[in-house]
Amino acid sequence: ILNVEQSPQSLHVQEGDSTNFTCSFPSSNFYALHWYRWETAKSPEALFVMTLNGDEKKKGRISATLNTKEGYSYLYIKGSQPEDSATYLCAFIPPQGGKLIFGQGTELSVKP
Amino acid sequence: SQTIHQWPATLVQPVGSPLSLECTVEGTSNPNLYWYRQAAGRGLQLLFYSVGIGQISSEVPQNLSASRPQDRQFILSSKKLLLSDSGFYLCAWAGLAGGEQFFGPGTRLTVL
Repeated sequence: ILNVEQSPQSLHVQEGDSTNFTCSFPSSNFYALHWYRWETAKSPEALFVMTLNGDEKKKGRISATLNTKEGYSYLYIKGSQPEDSATYLCAFIPPQGGKLIFGQGTELSVKP
Repeated sequence: SQTIHQWPATLVQPVGSPLSLECTVEGTSNPNLYWYRQAAGRGLQLLFYSVGIGQISSEVPQNLSASRPQDRQFILSSKKLLLSDSGFYLCAWAGLAGGEQFFGPGTRLTVL
């Protein structure tokens, strides 16, 4: 059974704080890792698709790193804003096929 | 541009009744198609995925089934709903196996 763990489960920060959370996945049989943002009343939207060990991707104030050898990825948000409030999901893709195995998500709440 | 549609948006059904949820994709050919469920307090669970017409892979044994009668149509069905089938159902498509997934608006199913 392939397990994807995210921590923390929830996070409450003040506007302007920087924050980060973790996704742990099986370090063997890695194909890709995705990060998605899921806002309330909307559909999940992809943030990053990461495939190479040492990958570092950035989109505005959000960035992510990937370590496939030890099986973890970090998502960073610099200077959190209330509009960053959402559930952040990571998904591990094994090489066997196109299926995604999602973690439980980290629910981020940013207070103004 | 590509769009993905799901209907209905919400559904309330009695235990033992049948189910049919439909998902259609526009603007792309031969997409990989996926059905996910988010049960209360849980992450996204992959139910079925399809790489082509008539090709369905089932991830979780249950009383649900899926069919892909046309290239861009994916249907989730049940002959008899259980209480545990309640949840939020998302359809998604991807252009490549393991590639970024694009999610539909979802269907909120309540089984009473």
